[in-house]
Amino acid sequence: DTAVSQTPKYLVTQMGNDKSIKCEQNLGHDTMYWYKQDSKKFLKIMFSYNNKELIINETVPNRFSPKSPDKAHLNLHINSLELGDSAVYFCASSQASEQFFGPGTRLTVL
Amino acid sequence: AQSVTQLDSQVPVFEEAPVELRCNYSSSVSVYLFWYVQYPNQGLQLLLKYLSGSTLVKGINGFEAEFNKSQTSFHLRKPSVHISDTAEYFCAVNQGGSEKLVFGKGTKLTVNP
Repeated sequence: DTAVSQTPKYLVTQMGNDKSIKCEQNLGHDTMYWYKQDSKKFLKIMFSYNNKELIINETVPNRFSPKSPDKAHLNLHINSLELGDSAVYFCASSQASEQFFGPGTRLTVL
Repeated sequence: AQSVTQLDSQVPVFEEAPVELRCNYSSSVSVYLFWYVQYPNQGLQLLLKYLSGSTLVKGINGFEAEFNKSQTSFHLRKPSVHISDTAEYFCAVNQGGSEKLVFGKGTKLTVNP
């Protein structure tokens, strides 16, 4: 029944590694997003895809590369992880005005 | 550019007391307004939204908010809070039709017995 799901829930890794976070939605929505929530709980949009096409890219370092194989999935790949990438990453989807959020992936870079 | 200001970073209240969480936005065009709640270690859940029509919006869990265009505000209220309302509350705005949601910095509501 999960509407927006993310894997993994927790990710602990060393600086310099490459990692991916996966997101899937079963709501039939056309638009999906990635948000970053920092240690002060501030939420900021990173990317948005509509029907597999990138529509928002908020000056995120190009070490971050989203990929949407189909409109139900939006994955986030991060190269050369840095300490400052530690955060909670939320996936969301929307149709019209309301966005539905996943449970988040807590990334810790050591 | 749009921005959202949540005037209080923390609001402590006693159980069964009323609460108001303040939100002001800046935008030169018509906007949609939202309040989300985030319980500890969980994702965000929509409490309520204003798109158009009546300026008083009722949401889940007994919360309501009033859109005030002249004061560019969308304050969240609950007449009597429960311990279970302890959470982080986020106000958000997007320009009508835009996909981009801009969040405030959040207000941590702590309900004490």
